[in-house]
Amino acid sequence: AQKITQTQPGMFVQEKEAVTLDCTYDTSDPSYGLFWYKQPSSGEMIFLIYQGSYDQQNATEGRYSLNFQKARKSANLVISASQLGDSAMYFCAMRGDSGNTGKLIFGQGTTLQVKP
Amino acid sequence: EAQVTQNPRYLITVTGKKLTVTCSQNMNHEYMSWYRQDPGLGLRQIYYSMNVEVTDKGDVPEGYKVSRKEKRNFPLILESPSPNQTSLYFCASSLFRGSMGETQYFGPGTRLLVL
Repeated sequence: AQKITQTQPGMFVQEKEAVTLDCTYDTSDPSYGLFWYKQPSSGEMIFLIYQGSYDQQNATEGRYSLNFQKARKSANLVISASQLGDSAMYFCAMRGDSGNTGKLIFGQGTTLQVKP
Repeated sequence: EAQVTQNPRYLITVTGKKLTVTCSQNMNHEYMSWYRQDPGLGLRQIYYSMNVEVTDKGDVPEGYKVSRKEKRNFPLILESPSPNQTSLYFCASSLFRGSMGETQYFGPGTRLLVL
């Protein structure tokens, strides 16, 4: 069975510093995709970044980068130069290539608070 | 503007009173699904649909029904809501072309409280 684990329920970071949010996954699918979403206090789900299991390079999107370590089955999100607007809950999610391939499996989420 | 809309956004109801949460997308997406979000559990899929008249159970389907009579609409029906269905509900849609990185578009969420 596929599983996503986020072991940090809450994190603090000082404004302008970098922060890493941890995500480990488990799957037997040979091909899969890993996603990060941001959920601000208003509740909507905002897509941040995607990493394919066969991608050779780590994904980057502006201040977001994904530290993908396939052998360790980890897909940590790195936010550089944190801003107050980064305070939100962050979800790691995975999509497999068998069966219901549209389904996203989500982790428990990590609440990030950026201090001024 | 490409979007997924849900209605209502907030709903307080009582146990046993049937309700429907509507979901509509304007992107001609084949794949639509419903998730519920609960503290400490993340989001879990309730039902999904790969196209019109094609629906199937996700991970937590008990107590819910869906239908897909038109491509753009995918309502979630709670025939007899119970307090354990108090949650934040999201509808999502995407193309279904087999690409692992296809973006899933989420609706704004519906906060449901069942008393």
